[in-house]
Amino acid sequence: ETGVTQSPTHLIKTRGQQVTLRCSSQSGHNTVSWYQQALGQGPQFIFQYYREEENGRGNFPPRFSGLQFPNYSSELNVNALELDDSALYLCASSGPSVTEAFFGQGTRLTVV
Amino acid sequence: EDQVTQSPEALRLQEGESSSLNCSYTVSGLRGLFWYRQDPGKGPEFLFTLYSAGEEKEKERLKATLTKKESFLHITAPKPEDSATYLCAVQPPGGFQKLVFGTGTRLLVSP
Repeated sequence: ETGVTQSPTHLIKTRGQQVTLRCSSQSGHNTVSWYQQALGQGPQFIFQYYREEENGRGNFPPRFSGLQFPNYSSELNVNALELDDSALYLCASSGPSVTEAFFGQGTRLTVV
Repeated sequence: EDQVTQSPEALRLQEGESSSLNCSYTVSGLRGLFWYRQDPGKGPEFLFTLYSAGEEKEKERLKATLTKKESFLHITAPKPEDSATYLCAVQPPGGFQKLVFGTGTRLLVSP
C-alpha cells in the first residue's frame, strides 16, 4: 500500500459531461501529479500541483484542470468529455526531495 | 523531445528462466530513471530510482542498472507472481516532477 488513495475507482460518463476525480496524497508529500493512461500505453503527464499551485503541465487542453487543497489532497476536473478521454487516471504523490513517486490505484473513466 | 523506448513489448518466460528488459532513453540532463511494476487495472508500483551511470539497485529477484543511454531490469529465476507490465520512466530537467514513460514490457512467467 502506498498511502495514495483515489476515488472513485470506476465511473461511466456521457460525452459532453463534466467529471471530478479525487486523490489523497501520502502523508508528508506536498506534490501531486496527475497522469492519463490509455489502454496498452504508458501514463502521460497531465499536470502537477505544489503548494496549491499548478507548476507544470503536459500537452493537455485547458478543459483538463485541477486543484490542490491545504492538506495536499487534489482534484482533477475534466469538462466537455470526449470519447478519447476514456482511460485510467492516475495520481502520484512525492515529497520535496523527489526520490520516489508513489501512485494510487487509479480511476477508470469510461466515456460513452 | 524526451523519449523512452522499452523492449521487448512482450516477453514470455518459463519459471526460473532469467532474462532482461531494456529501456533506452533520450533526454537532456537526466534527473532520474524510474522502474515501476503495474498489474492489470492497477496503479504502477514503485520499484527503483537510478540517478547516474553505473548505478545498480536490487530488490528480491530484480536488479536495475543504468548507463548513459539505457537501463536494464534483470529478472533472475522469475516466478509466476512476477508476471506484470514493467514500466520505465525518466525525469527530465526542470523545476517540476514530470515523468516521461515508455509503453512498458508485458512479462508472463509460466509455471
